[in-house]
Amino acid sequence: EVQLLESGGGLVQTGGSLRLSCTASGFTLSSSAMTWVRQAPGKGLEWVSSIRESGGSSHYGDSVKGRFTISRDNSKNTVFLQMNSLRAEDTAIYYCAKCSRAETGWCNWLDPWGQGTLVTVSS
Amino acid sequence: EIVLTQSPLSLPVSPGEPASISCRSSDSLHNYLDWYLQKPGQSPQLLIYLGSNRASGVPDRFSGSGSGTDFTLKISRVEAEDVGVYFCMQGLQTPFTFGPGTKVDIK
Repeated sequence: EVQLLESGGGLVQTGGSLRLSCTASGFTLSSSAMTWVRQAPGKGLEWVSSIRESGGSSHYGDSVKGRFTISRDNSKNTVFLQMNSLRAEDTAIYYCAKCSRAETGWCNWLDPWGQGTLVTVSS
Repeated sequence: EIVLTQSPLSLPVSPGEPASISCRSSDSLHNYLDWYLQKPGQSPQLLIYLGSNRASGVPDRFSGSGSGTDFTLKISRVEAEDVGVYFCMQGLQTPFTFGPGTKVDIK
């Protein structure tokens, strides 16, 4: 069974840093692009970042570009999200998701999703 | 950035009745449109990918259709376990974007 387990969330002060981890099991991590999506309390879903299979290419939403860095260690079956210069508006549940792709794409749908880890940024 | 709109945003449905949710895109998606259901207190789960393909384990009362800019998710007969928020997502290009969500509950 494919499973994703996020960790590393918590309470952090404005301007601080946090590193989230997503540990994968049940599949070969190196064969899949991976994505982080977040959900602020009571709000909808916002794509944060994605990283391709080898880690050679990554993509970011405008709201986190320059502050967040996605990376992966395929040997440890883990994807990371390093979050710096955190703001109150970064408060959210952060979900890790496995990308699946069509013939010509690299990440076209997300399945499965992890249970999420809560990040709270407060002054 | 591709903008997705959903309608309705709230959908009360009686058990056994059909339900339909629309997702419209600001640009053509071809068929790169997916549907997710977030049940209360849970993480989102994939229902439909590439417009019309049911994900593994998804009951056949769920169906997706559409292409280009107009897509529809249909539930042929709503059951109590179908309550939650339904999101569409475009997987054509980054930034990947989601619709605002449609909350389905039982009358």
